[in-house]
Amino acid sequence: AQSVAQPEDQVNVAEGNPLTVKCTYSVSGNPYLFWYVQYPNRGLQFLLKYITGDNLVKGSYGFEAEFNKSQTSFHLKKPSALVSDSALYFCAVRDMYSSASKIIFGSGTRLSIRP
Amino acid sequence: GAVVSQHPSWVICKSGTSVKIECRSLDFQATTMFWYRQFPKQSLMLMATSNEGSKATYEQGVEKDKFLINHASLTLSTLTVTSAHPEDSSFYICSAYKAGAAYNEQFFGPGTRLTVL
Repeated sequence: AQSVAQPEDQVNVAEGNPLTVKCTYSVSGNPYLFWYVQYPNRGLQFLLKYITGDNLVKGSYGFEAEFNKSQTSFHLKKPSALVSDSALYFCAVRDMYSSASKIIFGSGTRLSIRP
Repeated sequence: GAVVSQHPSWVICKSGTSVKIECRSLDFQATTMFWYRQFPKQSLMLMATSNEGSKATYEQGVEKDKFLINHASLTLSTLTVTSAHPEDSSFYICSAYKAGAAYNEQFFGPGTRLTVL
């Protein structure tokens, strides 16, 4: 079965420090991977995606993610965290067995940036 | 471009009533829309896939007679929660698949918070 796993329910980082939100995936074939962010009582906002090409993907708000095929990981990173980055982050993978472009979401990681 | 709206943004209703939630793609045509529900501090769970002009495809465990989905046009899908009960209280989010968008990208609406008293 295809899935993504986010092993950390919560990540706490001091403002100005680098942050990493972890994601591992399990898919057959080449994965289409995504990161989304959700602020309280809001829908999801797209951050970045990996389809093919460079393993380091740059996205919105200074975030980037590194695709690592050998470790089946797609960790989200930012060199210097901001308090405004505090939100819920979801890793997702395209359901390759679906003809309807379905996306499978991870359980989410709450990122808390302290001043 | 690629903006998806939802209406209402929040709704409170009495148990036993029906509630309709609209999902609109504002600047593109969406042949496929998806409906998710999200409980507090949990991930998004796909409820159904809505295809314009045809019946929705429901995920396992989702009652199609309780969650009625209509995708009558290329820019509008509606979710009606029939005979709502408190356990239906949740955050409902729709997304739209933009035909021709790169790599099956979905665009998400802002969500609708439903509270059933």
